[in-house]
Amino acid sequence: NAGVMQNPRHLVRRRGQEARLRCSPMKGHSHVYWYRQLPEEGLKFMVYLQKENIIDESGMPKERFSAEFPKEGPSILRIQQVVRGDSAAYFCASSRLAESSYEQYFGPGTRLTVT
Amino acid sequence: LAKTTQPISMDSYEGQEVNITCSHNNIATNDYITWYQQFPSQGPRFIIQGYKTKVTNEVASLFIPADRKSSTLSLPRVSLSDTAVYYCLVGPDTGRRALTFGSGTRLQVQP
Repeated sequence: NAGVMQNPRHLVRRRGQEARLRCSPMKGHSHVYWYRQLPEEGLKFMVYLQKENIIDESGMPKERFSAEFPKEGPSILRIQQVVRGDSAAYFCASSRLAESSYEQYFGPGTRLTVT
Repeated sequence: LAKTTQPISMDSYEGQEVNITCSHNNIATNDYITWYQQFPSQGPRFIIQGYKTKVTNEVASLFIPADRKSSTLSLPRVSLSDTAVYYCLVGPDTGRRALTFGSGTRLQVQP
């Protein structure tokens, strides 16, 4: 059973460009979460999605960031007009409905560098 | 969510037992205690979860005293590969699913 997959693993963007980060949850998992980890800091929750629905986006910056989890295909975290402060590791996690909300399975992350 | 406090860093040697304590004085009745492990350049990995007394799995043991205001993650006979950051999380088992990670404890295992 493949784990959570994220791509790309590394992404370099110039200021003002768009970044698209993709996440495929574990098979059978219908809940996806995105977290951001700035250098030398802990992970910060961004958004929680189920198929075609955003359940909790309380951690998402109000501008330039959006997320989706379509009926078919991976979840996408989109950052428009990136700035240097967006440079971070972005982790996706997934879980099944029946499992403990504290047991989430994380992907390897996408490291975004904004130049 | 209950606030947690854990040491910033710990050092140990291979073969030793390591105990990492987490304080959570305002833990609520329906809160569980969960520990995650994060290796450099990787996503966190769920280690263990408990509510009271003792929980043990193939990786670690979790000790929770009767008042539940603290908990101790015990790693038996650590190896170099246990060098990682360990996070203590406290919150209800259901409901809001956003994990709140603090700064964690950076464990360095020396040969």
